[in-house]
Amino acid sequence: TQLLEQSPQFLSIQEGENLTVYCNSSSVFSSLQWYRQEPGEGPVLLVTVVTGGEVKKLKRLTFQFGDARKDSSLHITAAQPGDTGLYLCAGAIGYKLSFGAGTTVTVRA
Amino acid sequence: DSGVTQTPKHLITATGQRVTLRCSPRSGDLSVYWYQQSLDQGLQFLIQYYNGEERAKGNILERFSAQQFPDLHSELNLSSLELGDSALYFCASSPSLAQIRLQYFGPGTRLTVL
Repeated sequence: TQLLEQSPQFLSIQEGENLTVYCNSSSVFSSLQWYRQEPGEGPVLLVTVVTGGEVKKLKRLTFQFGDARKDSSLHITAAQPGDTGLYLCAGAIGYKLSFGAGTTVTVRA
Repeated sequence: DSGVTQTPKHLITATGQRVTLRCSPRSGDLSVYWYQQSLDQGLQFLIQYYNGEERAKGNILERFSAQQFPDLHSELNLSSLELGDSALYFCASSPSLAQIRLQYFGPGTRLTVL
């Protein structure tokens, strides 16, 4: 059983469309991270959110941390083929990071 | 390039064998983490070392062990290998014990057990 549940598991959209990925848990985290992983490579850290209700924007990506620090979302505006990849959320409790199972995003040209 | 290096990139071995995976953290990082990623289990935390000492353990099997050396590189030893141990093994590093959220991952070692 995953501590963090990500949805949807798969997402396939056309270039230019928007998408949202969700990360939910019943646990409270001191911080939450989002990573992007491409096939055969290690996860790359995109952002860290630490304050309940925090919103961070990174170009076309918007990350939100829930008020209770139990959930997060990643929104991509006007998706591009280069956004294709596996998106992983990870929550920090103590000295451990727990990862969600990931959302595989495919952006078709 | 995250600055974390892992060798080898690929490893193919037989059941019952023992292998060693190596990781060099980013320059200046004292904390090293090991993860296993498989299709059915996702990315699972195995173990963490900080400045040579074990600090946290996750779902690491007794057949697996790790250590961090004085030069801060780390090795993950997998023994009595089983088919189910086939997976991607990642190492990550962070500057300090408190900064677990600033983990930078290496490119991984793909282990195939035949």
